[in-house]
Amino acid sequence: GQNIDQPTEMTATEGAIVQINCTYQTSGFNGLFWYQQHAGEAPTFLSYNVLDGLEEKGRFSSFLSRSKGYSYLLLKELQMKDSASYLCAVRDRDYKLSFGAGTTVTVRA
Amino acid sequence: IAGITQAPTSQILAAGRRMTLRCTQDMRHNAMYWYRQDLGLGLRLIHYSNTAGTTGKGEVPDGYSVSRANTDDFPLTLASAVPSQTSVYFCASSESENQPQHFGDGTRLSIL
Repeated sequence: GQNIDQPTEMTATEGAIVQINCTYQTSGFNGLFWYQQHAGEAPTFLSYNVLDGLEEKGRFSSFLSRSKGYSYLLLKELQMKDSASYLCAVRDRDYKLSFGAGTTVTVRA
Repeated sequence: IAGITQAPTSQILAAGRRMTLRCTQDMRHNAMYWYRQDLGLGLRLIHYSNTAGTTGKGEVPDGYSVSRANTDDFPLTLASAVPSQTSVYFCASSESENQPQHFGDGTRLSIL
């Protein structure tokens, strides 16, 4: 099974950088995903890491360390529209996703 | 616009009633999934289907059943609804089981 931990809430200022950490314990790691979910809407795919290191996609980057069971999502040049929940999800050997409870990020002007 | 369609958008249901949540995708994705999302618990997998004609149990399958008669449709049935099944239900699909999943807009279900 999976045990996935991420902070419940974070607040940051428009234009700033925020780092959302995710730690996991798993019986069979096969990739880590980050999703964004605005209130009342569907989750949308942001990034995917299966090997150690940093994956960059515009203002968003995701990092993975498999030996530490650790990932982070970095949001740069924060905009008001980035206020949302960010979900960390770990995939197992059977390709099933287990999700963390999500981190609600509030961006303030 | 291609994507995943869920119906109904929301529903209030009396306990003990039977209910089917519909999910249709037009992307010809092989894999489909049903999740429930509850405050503080995150998304939990109920059932999944890696390809038409096959289904499997997820983390929380009790009280739910699914079928996958064709590629496009993946209905979720609550045989006899109970209040603990009050939740937001999301259907998702992926091109194959090792590809990122894409989610529908969800069904908000309240069991009274």
